[in-house]
Amino acid sequence: DAGVTQSPTHLIKTRGQHVTLRCSPISGHKSVSWYQQVLGQGPQFIFQYYEKEERGRGNFPDRFSARQFPNYSSELNVNALLLGDSALYLCASSLVANQPQHFGDGTRLSIL
Amino acid sequence: KNEVEQSPQNLTAQEGEFITINCSYSVGISALHWLQQHPGGGIVSLFMLSSGKKKHGRLIATINIQEKHSSLHITASHPRDSAVYICAVREGGGADGLTFGKGTHLIIQP
Repeated sequence: DAGVTQSPTHLIKTRGQHVTLRCSPISGHKSVSWYQQVLGQGPQFIFQYYEKEERGRGNFPDRFSARQFPNYSSELNVNALLLGDSALYLCASSLVANQPQHFGDGTRLSIL
Repeated sequence: KNEVEQSPQNLTAQEGEFITINCSYSVGISALHWLQQHPGGGIVSLFMLSSGKKKHGRLIATINIQEKHSSLHITASHPRDSAVYICAVREGGGADGLTFGKGTHLIIQP
């Protein structure tokens, strides 16, 4: 079975632009979580979706939004990009929310 | 908000040495995870613990709920164990996601 897949792998944007990151969970996994990892730090929780509903949100501004589709894939959207949004964005899936998470390889976002 | 502290931040050891990485947290949890991150970003889940001890190959993870502390041990370390090891905790039922430590950067020299 394929693992968690994220696209794109790398992305370069400029300040003020908008970005959409995509995540396909492991087949059968209904929970998807998004994390931001700034260089040299541990990941920070952004969102969790389960059964297409937002179940948890971290301490991120409203410029960050996400959704989960009927096939359980997910998108993370970030508006009005700032230099500080440069980071590795990780998606993780699990069968249900409190089970071990399987991580994708991440999308590395650079803001110029 | 849970504060997750890891020690040491950096560790360099010789091949074959016994390695211990520590993690402490400030608020009661429902589960603790140990994760491995290689250069380039990919994260692999090593263990999920809520009590006691787990072993997988040369890796052993323990947790003491009363002391809010966990350790990850690597026996007979090998250069391929070189990676960043991250401790993460989950509070409650899971809707709040994981809270991560900053990681321990481990280098095993041949």
